[in-house]
This record gives sequence, structure tokens and C-alpha cells, in this order.
Amino acid sequence: AQKVTQAQTEISVVEKEDVTLDCVYETRDTTYYLFWYKQPPSGELVFLIRRNSFDEQNEISGRYSWNFQKSTSSFNFTITASQVVDSAVYFCALSEEGGKNKLTFGTGTQLKVEL
Amino acid sequence: EAQVTQNPRYLITVTGKKLTVTCSQNMNHEYMSWYRQDPGLGLRQIYYSMNVEVTDKGDVPEGYKVSRKEKRNFPLILESPSPNQTSLYFCASSLNRNTGELFFGEGSRLTVL
Repeated sequence: AQKVTQAQTEISVVEKEDVTLDCVYETRDTTYYLFWYKQPPSGELVFLIRRNSFDEQNEISGRYSWNFQKSTSSFNFTITASQVVDSAVYFCALSEEGGKNKLTFGTGTQLKVEL
Repeated sequence: EAQVTQNPRYLITVTGKKLTVTCSQNMNHEYMSWYRQDPGLGLRQIYYSMNVEVTDKGDVPEGYKVSRKEKRNFPLILESPSPNQTSLYFCASSLNRNTGELFFGEGSRLTVL
């Protein structure tokens, strides 16, 4: 069965610090997709990135970067020079190619960025 | 504008009073699903639909019903709500089965007293 673990329940940083959110996944499929979503205090879910299991290249988008390592089944998310607007709950999620149109979510990491 | 619309956004009701949360998408997506979000549990899938008249259970379907009579609509029905169904509910749609990005509605916060 697929599973996503986000061991960090809550992280607090001071603005401009770098922060890494950890995500570890389990799956038996060889083809799968990994996602990160952001949930700001307003409650909506904002899509950040999708990665397929055959693409281990790291990705950078502005202050955001993602490190996908199949060897450790991890898909970590780093925010560089954090800002107060980054304060949110971040969810890592997994879907399997043979699955039921389902995202399996981790329990989320609450990130608080303070001045 | 591409969007998934849920209604109501907020609802307080009492045990046993049937309610329906509507969901509509304007992207002509085949796949739609419902999730509930609870503290410490993340989001869990309730039901999903692969097309009109094709639905299936997700991980936590007990106490819920769905229907898909039209491609754009996927209502969630609570026939006899109970307090353990107090939660934040999200409807989602996607173009592809598992590869594509899910488009989420804004969420419906339901409280059952």
C-alpha cells in the first residue's frame, strides 16, 4: 500500500532563513507521481509541483527547490530565504500509475515564518 | 477561468439531517473525487469518479454517497450526518487518471452537532 510520511509536524523559522520540508514515501509501483501542495491560512490547496518516478532531476523554481532521491524514497522541499507569505501547511502526496485516481497525502508540515 | 466550485463553503447542521455538498467543474475533466481533511490525518479520499455513472469507493466511504449524472457535477451526499463527519471537505477534478495535477475546490467546512 502506498504511504507518505511527513515527520515534521511544525517548523518555525525566522524570515530569510532557508528551510527544508521532508517527505518520505512508500510504494510498490515502479511508476508513480509525487506532488507538493501548499495550504495557506485561507484554506485552499495550491499545487506546487509534480514529479514522475523516472525523472530524478532536481527542480528549482524561484526560491523553491525540490530534491527527489529514489534511493532513499524521499522528495524533499526547500524554501530559500523564507518569507512570511510562505507560512502555510505543506502537503506531500503520491499517486500510483495503477491506482484509483487517488492522491495519498502525508499529514502535512505547518511552516511558520516569523519576522 | 478554470475552476472547481463547491457549495456550501460553510455549514453547521445537526445529527441525522440529510445534506448535500455540491461540486462543479468547468474544465471538462473526466476524473473527479472527494477528500476530507482532518487534523493530524492529512487528506483522505472518500469517493472518486472516472466518468459519468462510474464511481468507486476511496479510503473512507462510510456514511457518504455520491452520484455522477453529468460530467461537470459530482455531489457528495450525507444521508444521516454524524459528529464524526465534522471535517473540511475538498472536491477535486483532473484530466488524467493519476498523472495529472488535481484541481481542488476551495473546500467546504462542515460541522455536525
